[in-house]
Amino acid sequence: GEDVEQSLFLSVREGDSSVINCTYTDSSSTYLYWYKQEPGAGLQLLTYIFSNMDMKQDQRLTVLLNKKDKHLSLRIADTQTGDSAIYFCAERGRRNTGNQFYFGTGTSLTVIP
Amino acid sequence: ETGVTQTPRHLVMGMTNKKSLKCEQHLGHNAMYWYKQSAKKPLELMFVYNFKEQTENNSVPSRFSPECPNSSHLFLHLHTLQPEDSALYLCASSQDLGSFDIQYFGAGTRLSVL
Repeated sequence: GEDVEQSLFLSVREGDSSVINCTYTDSSSTYLYWYKQEPGAGLQLLTYIFSNMDMKQDQRLTVLLNKKDKHLSLRIADTQTGDSAIYFCAERGRRNTGNQFYFGTGTSLTVIP
Repeated sequence: ETGVTQTPRHLVMGMTNKKSLKCEQHLGHNAMYWYKQSAKKPLELMFVYNFKEQTENNSVPSRFSPECPNSSHLFLHLHTLQPEDSALYLCASSQDLGSFDIQYFGAGTRLSVL
């Protein structure tokens, strides 16, 4: 199976909340990240959470971490059309020889006006 | 503008061609990465360089050949590619390979192999 799993698509109406979910497998991960990719661009860091935290809030963004279930979620409040993008979950694992980032497939968020 | 520049943005090549992708970072970082992004697949790490030395090669076919002449520049040399190699190739950099690090990505090169 995949190391980091995400659903591929999510559609929400403008003004609603979006929740993007992610599961990961490496229990040694110390940091987990959310990156955003807008059309025609590379990935940009949106937010991150340290593994000893359960929640982190940053303006409209709320990250929830359930370390027992290895589940990470990103909630976007009051979703706007400008939030339409691909959202990647990533973990920093210690597999094999060193630290590597492991990314999911990305979740394509479509915001309907 | 992320401080990581990739050229060209688009590339179409035949299976017998030889081409190179270029990545340059202006962030003073020591680690650089090549990723392959294909639809509906996880972002796939290809190579990692730290202080110009290759630290990771994730079983990438030899038709992809990376080169890192200094900490600011990274190349991916391509030859005799296959149509399934068509994808978005992303370059990234980070300060180093520490336990907490943020990667900064370029906009990518969209590669089509005919």
